Amino acid sequence: QSVLTQPPSASGTPGQRVTVSCSGSSSNIGSNYVYWYQLVAGTAPKLLIYKNNQRPSGVPDRFSGSTSGTSASLAISGLQSEDEADYYCATWDDRLNGVVFGGGTKLTVL
Amino acid sequence: EVQLLESGGGLVRPGGSLRLSCAASGFTSVNFAMTWVRQRPGKGLEWVAGTGGRGDSYGRTFYTDSVKGRFTISRDNSMNTLYLQMNNLRGEDTAVYYCAKHLASGLGPGYYFYGMDVWGQGTTVTVSS
Repeated sequence: QSVLTQPPSASGTPGQRVTVSCSGSSSNIGSNYVYWYQLVAGTAPKLLIYKNNQRPSGVPDRFSGSTSGTSASLAISGLQSEDEADYYCATWDDRLNGVVFGGGTKLTVL
Repeated sequence: EVQLLESGGGLVRPGGSLRLSCAASGFTSVNFAMTWVRQRPGKGLEWVAGTGGRGDSYGRTFYTDSVKGRFTISRDNSMNTLYLQMNNLRGEDTAVYYCAKHLASGLGPGYYFYGMDVWGQGTTVTVSS
């Protein structure tokens, strides 16, 4: 059971906009920056969003992040086939004194 | 180019020990917090342990509950290398282990959380008799 709650799956067709939610609590998302990672099987996790809504250089602006209270969201617009991957949210938990991840969302591009 | 390369994984029997290494290149790892994350077969990412970088949090270590007392994270700054000493291994420790670099040096209470920006390719640990 993950500390952060994500839907196990999401899907969309090419060109569509999809969102992935991440729900936490006051001890994690409510008081710390949220990060989003993309994981493609057989490759290293890739940082997509840092400090809630910032994109590292090289990450397309189709990816965006937001937070509200104890929840965070990752939005992917103009969905492409190469976006098919697992997506994870992460933050620090002040009560657990450690990094916590969501359970991951498998995105399928139909 | 900033890179991390893990090594040391393998097959070990329950109760055995293993030491994972993570060689950093392209940056000075002591200047950043560093972390180990694992992914069990068919499961999601799970943070295992982290350590602060140069500054007030240097030397501070943090662990997920399931590995406290069994795993130890450490550094050799002269080798620019991060380690994870794993003792009393259990079947549930079977996973791909990734090391990762944080965006800043501070980690833990009193610091803004700067997550992981660079990850290694991972090394596989299998605990089985």
